Amino acid sequence: GAVVSQHPSRVICKSGTSVKIECRSLDFQATTMFWYRQFPKQSLMLMATSNEGSKATYEQGVEKDKFLINHASLTLSTLTVTSAHPEDSSFYICSASGLGRNTGELFFGEGSRLTVL
Amino acid sequence: SQQGEEDPQALSIQEGENATMNCSYKTSINNLQWYRQNSGRGLVHLILIRSNEREKHSGRLRVTLDTSKKSSSLLITASRAADTASYFCATDAGNTGKLIFGQGTTLQVKP
Repeated sequence: GAVVSQHPSRVICKSGTSVKIECRSLDFQATTMFWYRQFPKQSLMLMATSNEGSKATYEQGVEKDKFLINHASLTLSTLTVTSAHPEDSSFYICSASGLGRNTGELFFGEGSRLTVL
Repeated sequence: SQQGEEDPQALSIQEGENATMNCSYKTSINNLQWYRQNSGRGLVHLILIRSNEREKHSGRLRVTLDTSKKSSSLLITASRAADTASYFCATDAGNTGKLIFGQGTTLQVKP
C-alpha cells in the first residue's frame, strides 16, 4: 500500500514556541491531505483539508492562524502549531489521497505526538 | 463534528472468540470505512464498503452495511491477541476523502 510519512513522531516544546509537523506521501502524488487531531482515548477530529497549491479549508472551530497548513507540493504538507500552549498537546495525524489511488481510500501517517510544556 | 457512534466503547474477549463492533451514522454516505489503530500509532485501513453494498469480507473481517438504519458492523472472527487495538468507523459523504470518524471501540483480546 501507499506510504505516508510524518515527521517528527514525537516533539516536546516550550509554551510559546512554534512547531512544524511534516506529512509526506512517499510513493504517490497527494493532491489532497487531511490533518486530524486526536486527544487521548478519543476519536480523530478533522482539523483541515489541504489541497496542493491552494489555501487549506479549516473545520469549524479550528483557528487557521493557530494551525498553519501549507501544501506546496504534491508530496508534502506541513502543519505548524504557532505559539503552542499546553492545551495544544495532542496526537496529530495526517492522511493523503491522490492520483492513481482508489477513490475514498486514505493512507494515514504514523502520527506526531506533541507535548507542550 | 463526529457523526459516528460506535458500540461497544470497549470490548474484552478471549482469543479465538469473535468480536462484533457496531457503528451508526447520521447523514447519507458514499462509503463507510473501518480503520484500526494500535495504541499511539497511526491508522491502518481495514475495509471499505460502498453505499450500494450490503456485506463485504476480507480475511477474518466481515463488514455489513444497512443504509436504511444508517449502521454498519465489523465482525472479527477467531480473534487473536494481535487484534488488540482500537477500531474506528469513518464515513465519507462525498467521495472526497474527508472522513468523519466514529468514537471507536477499544478491543482487548486476551491470550
